[in-house]
Amino acid sequence: GEDVEQSLFLSVREGDSSVINCTYTDSSSTYLYWYKQEPGAGLQLLTYIFSNMDMKQDQRLTVLLNKKDKHLSLRIADTQTGDSAIYFCADYNTDKLIFGTGTRLQVFP
Amino acid sequence: DTEVTQTPKHLVMGMTNKKSLKCEQHMGHRAMYWYKQKAKKPPELMFVYSYEKLSINESVPSRFSPECPNSSLLNLHLHALQPEDSALYLCASSQEWRDREAFFGQGTRLTVV
Repeated sequence: GEDVEQSLFLSVREGDSSVINCTYTDSSSTYLYWYKQEPGAGLQLLTYIFSNMDMKQDQRLTVLLNKKDKHLSLRIADTQTGDSAIYFCADYNTDKLIFGTGTRLQVFP
Repeated sequence: DTEVTQTPKHLVMGMTNKKSLKCEQHMGHRAMYWYKQKAKKPPELMFVYSYEKLSINESVPSRFSPECPNSSLLNLHLHALQPEDSALYLCASSQEWRDREAFFGQGTRLTVV
């Protein structure tokens, strides 16, 4: 089966940029996704990128995709305390969404 | 309306109880999903319904029984659960199965005692 890996924890100062990384093993995905989960809540789709794109920007969010290295990243510009959450990357594999292990982002003043 | 509504938000049940989780969406989506999320873990797919028919069952034990009575509603019937079934149960929907945008509900936090 596919593996989707992320680093477990990231701590940044308010106003700085955050970069959350993800590696995956299956290269046949059409789309790759980033979801946000706040404590005790469901998942919110933040953005997604089509697999033939290298970059997608959406306001404060920038997604970079390196298909050769099977590496996906999410950059959050001007990180705010409200960005504190767990971030999951995900992709479709054999008809189901496979989530990464999740990265807990902590933003301190 | 881009909401997926799950009830109840919290549920505590004994191992001999029967209970049901409910999920509702009014976005006209034809695919609905149940996920299970254990603490500090990513969500894992349990079931997929497409056009009210069960399309995927990820080898889920029979003590979990899904039901899709109509295109807006998805239930998960629970019977004789074990303490290790305690988790956050998430419902999601999308326009079609494998569609690029899936919307998640807030989840039901289930505790089995």
